[in-house]
Amino acid sequence: EAAVTQSPRSKVAVTGGKVTLSCHQTNNHDYMYWYRQDTGHGLRLIHYSYVADSTEKGDIPDGYKASRPSQENFSLILELASLSQTAVYFCASRFRDTQYFGPGTRLLVL
Amino acid sequence: AQSVTQPDARVTVSEGASLQLRCKYSYFGTPYLFWYVQYPRQGLQLLLKYYPGDPVVQGVNGFEAEFSKSNSSFHLRKASVHWSDWAVYFCAVSGQGGSAKLIFGEGTKLTVSS
Repeated sequence: EAAVTQSPRSKVAVTGGKVTLSCHQTNNHDYMYWYRQDTGHGLRLIHYSYVADSTEKGDIPDGYKASRPSQENFSLILELASLSQTAVYFCASRFRDTQYFGPGTRLLVL
Repeated sequence: AQSVTQPDARVTVSEGASLQLRCKYSYFGTPYLFWYVQYPRQGLQLLLKYYPGDPVVQGVNGFEAEFSKSNSSFHLRKASVHWSDWAVYFCAVSGQGGSAKLIFGEGTKLTVSS
C-alpha cells in the first residue's frame, strides 16, 4: 500500500506570511495531488503533478503555488497566507486509478 | 457538469443495524467510482472502488456498493454496523487514466448509537 506522509501535521501562520506544506511518497507514483478540505465539505483539488519539475493547476489554484522537485516530494506554497486559507490540506499520490492520501495538515491562519 | 452528490449530510444508525449511504453522480463517459472513509483527524482511506464490470463491489470491513447506470448511483451498504464505523464517508468519481481528476461529494457523517 502507498505510503504518503505530510509535514507539518499542524501549523499556525500569520496573515501575509509564507507557508510551505510538504508531502513525501515512497512508492514512486507518478501523479501527486494537493487538496483542501473545509469543515463539513469534501475535498477540492488545488494543484497536481505527473512528473518531477512540472505542476498543473487544479480547480482552486488561486493563492497557491506548487513545487515538485523530485518524484517523491511535492510541496504546496502559500506566498501570502490569508484567513480564507484556514483548512485541512491533504496530499495524495496515485497508482493506476486509485489515489492514496496522507494524514493531512491542519493549517490555521490568524 | 461532472459532480457527486451525497444527499445525506448526517446519518445515525444503531450498532448492529444495516446501513445504506447514498451517492449520486453526474459524469460524461465511463465513470470510475470510489468510496473513501475518514476517521476523526485522519486522512482518507479507500473502502472500495468500481471499475466497469460487476455492478456490486466488495470492500474492506464488510462494506459493499452497487453501481447503477440507470439511476446514476453508487450506494454504499453494510449489513451490520459496528461502533468503529463511526466516521465520515466520501463518494468520488473519476475518469480513466492520465490527467483524470477525482471529484468528491461533500461527505456523509455516520454516527453509531448503542
